[in-house]
Amino acid sequence: DAGVIQSPRHEVTEMGQEVTLRCKPISGHDYLFWYRQTMMRGLELLIYFNNNVPIDDSGMPEDRFSAKMPNASFSTLKIQPSEPRDSAVYFCASTRTANTEAFFGQGTRLTVV
Amino acid sequence: AQSVSQHNHHVILSEAASLELGCNYSYGGTVNLFWYVQYPGQHLQLLLKYFSGDPLVKGIKGFEAEFIKSKFSFNLRKPSVQWSDTAEYFCAVNAPGNTGKLIFGQGTTLQVKP
Repeated sequence: DAGVIQSPRHEVTEMGQEVTLRCKPISGHDYLFWYRQTMMRGLELLIYFNNNVPIDDSGMPEDRFSAKMPNASFSTLKIQPSEPRDSAVYFCASTRTANTEAFFGQGTRLTVV
Repeated sequence: AQSVSQHNHHVILSEAASLELGCNYSYGGTVNLFWYVQYPGQHLQLLLKYFSGDPLVKGIKGFEAEFIKSKFSFNLRKPSVQWSDTAEYFCAVNAPGNTGKLIFGQGTTLQVKP
C-alpha cells in the first residue's frame, strides 16, 4: 500500500481565497483524522471520521473550516475564506480500527499571505 | 476532557547521553498509548505503542517506554542517544470506549549534539 496520500504538498494562497486540502487514506482503514500542526499550538485534532461519518468536529476552529468524506478513499478539508493565521502544516492520518496506530500522510504546508 | 501533557518542550543532549521524555495523560479509563517521532521535514512515524500486557514496551531504534498506570504516565527512554535521534517526539492517547479519538501532546523537540 502507498500509505496515506495528501495533496498538495505545498500551497501558497492569498488571504480570502478558498483552499482545499485532499487526503486518500490507506485502503481498509475505517478512521480518518485531520490534524493541524503549528509551532504555537502543536498538533491539534480538527475532525475525525469513522466509516465516512464525522464523529467529532469539536476541534474545527471556526465556520470557515469544513471537512467531508464522500467515500472511503477520499476526504477534503476546505478553508473558505482563508486567513494568514491558518498558515500551518495540515496532516491527514488513518487507522484500521478504533484502537490501532495511526498512519500519517506527508502533510500539506499551507501558507496564506 | 481527555488530554496529554508532555513536560519537556525542548531537550538538548550530547551524543551517548541517556534520554527520558515525560508524558502524562488525564483520562482514568483504559487507554492505548503511543509515541511518535517526526524527523525534520517529515511526517509522524510510530516509535512504539502500548495496548495491554507488559508495561515496559520496546520500540524501534532502541527506544522503550514504561506505562505506569498509577501515575498516568508513559515516559519514553533511550539509554544512549545518537545525533540521528534529533527530531520531535509526540506522545498520544487513544480514547477508551472504542471511540477512536486520538489525541497528541504538544511535542518535545530533541536536539542531539555530535
